[in-house]
Amino acid sequence: DIQMTQSPSSVSASVGDRVTITCRASQGISSWLAWYQQKPGKAPKLLIYGASNLQSGVPSRFSGSGSGTDFTLTISSLQPEDFAAYYCQQASRFPPTFGGGTKVEIK
Amino acid sequence: QVQLVESGGGLVKPGGSLRLSCAASGFTFSDYYMSWIRQTSGKGLEWVSHISNSGSTIYYADPVKGRFTISRDNAKNSLYLEMNSLRAEDTAVYYCARALSGLYYFHYWGQGTLVTVSS
Repeated sequence: DIQMTQSPSSVSASVGDRVTITCRASQGISSWLAWYQQKPGKAPKLLIYGASNLQSGVPSRFSGSGSGTDFTLTISSLQPEDFAAYYCQQASRFPPTFGGGTKVEIK
Repeated sequence: QVQLVESGGGLVKPGGSLRLSCAASGFTFSDYYMSWIRQTSGKGLEWVSHISNSGSTIYYADPVKGRFTISRDNAKNSLYLEMNSLRAEDTAVYYCARALSGLYYFHYWGQGTLVTVSS
């Protein structure tokens, strides 16, 4: 199975900050990567797929980049509603696997 | 609007069985791949099983292979997960999820149903 490693596991930030989360795959996955946001008690929400394609309705302050093994999710200006957990997921081969998550907390 | 509503979770003893259901609405169910994904506080998100739109292609995660069975009824717009020989490590919130058309990204998720395996 392809292992997905996210860092950091948590980050403290303030409203307006730029936040960057990284995800590394244990082998090359081209651009077959998605990012999800999850708020407490809710299901994950798809933000980005294909490493950099913003899902419809997702604010443009979210962006994704990378290919191969190294990927990044960037929130350009953190908003109060962005405090949540974020997960990456590879869709290159079965089984689909998720990163361990990054919790974005209020500083 | 797309809705996925899971049901069937609960408390079951080790070795027991449970059947989860997921009722879909707001889209043409027979057009989409579907999956079950579970989440624990310890292991995070774990994909469990996939079924193609016609039901002809099925995959399972190794930890559940031989114990869980995924199925769908396109006439009833419903997805199922039959879980047998349940273990403590199967304790999780189980989500059904609709794939992004033809791809293995999970576009829509249900609210989840909690399965607790404990004596």
